[in-house]
Amino acid sequence: EVQLLESGGGLVQPGGSLRLSCAASGFTFSSYAMNWVRQAPGKGLEWVSGISGSVSGISVSDTSTYYADSVKGRFTISRDNSKNMLYLQMNSLRAEDTALYYCAKGQWLGHWFDPWGQGTQVTVSS
Amino acid sequence: QSALTQPRSVSGSPGQSVTISCTGTSSDVGGYNYVSWYQQHPGKAPKLMIYDVSKRPSGVPDRFSGSKSGNTASLTISGLQAEDETDYYCCSYAGSYTYVFGTGTKVTVL
Repeated sequence: EVQLLESGGGLVQPGGSLRLSCAASGFTFSSYAMNWVRQAPGKGLEWVSGISGSVSGISVSDTSTYYADSVKGRFTISRDNSKNMLYLQMNSLRAEDTALYYCAKGQWLGHWFDPWGQGTQVTVSS
Repeated sequence: QSALTQPRSVSGSPGQSVTISCTGTSSDVGGYNYVSWYQQHPGKAPKLMIYDVSKRPSGVPDRFSGSKSGNTASLTISGLQAEDETDYYCCSYAGSYTYVFGTGTKVTVL
């Protein structure tokens, strides 16, 4: 069974930083694209960032990263295929980044998200 | 990267059909056959219901179906059941490995 477990959320001041983690299990992690999707309180879903799978296996040297305009230059997605972990480094955080952040498995040759983790809450406030 | 437009809410009686529209542009919905739909119950993670416009993952009831015409995709729920009452989101590939979600629709079973 595929499982995704996010962690690392919390309360941070505007301008601060936070690193989210997503522990994956139940599938060949290195082969699949992974994504972060967020949901502000009472609002809809917003795709934040994605990272491609690794053709060469454990190495991440051949992966590519993608970002929504709203976070480009502030957020950095990365993966550690040896640990089956996905990360999102969030810098220069703003109040509008307050949301529940979901980790979602992408596809090798496809464009949908399945499954999703349960999310980790990020609150940016002074 | 503007959000796709969905109706805020739709409703129907048990057993009836409801259709949720999802309108984008030629740069997203109209440009690719990569529309997916997600069901989200309160406090829960989204669940994939439809992918590639009209394909249904295993385990999703065949009451759920998807289609697309031009820049508008649609999700139809036939034989509406009480457990279908919740929020639904569409999502489209928007090129360069980016994605855009819809604004979300609340389905109410009368």
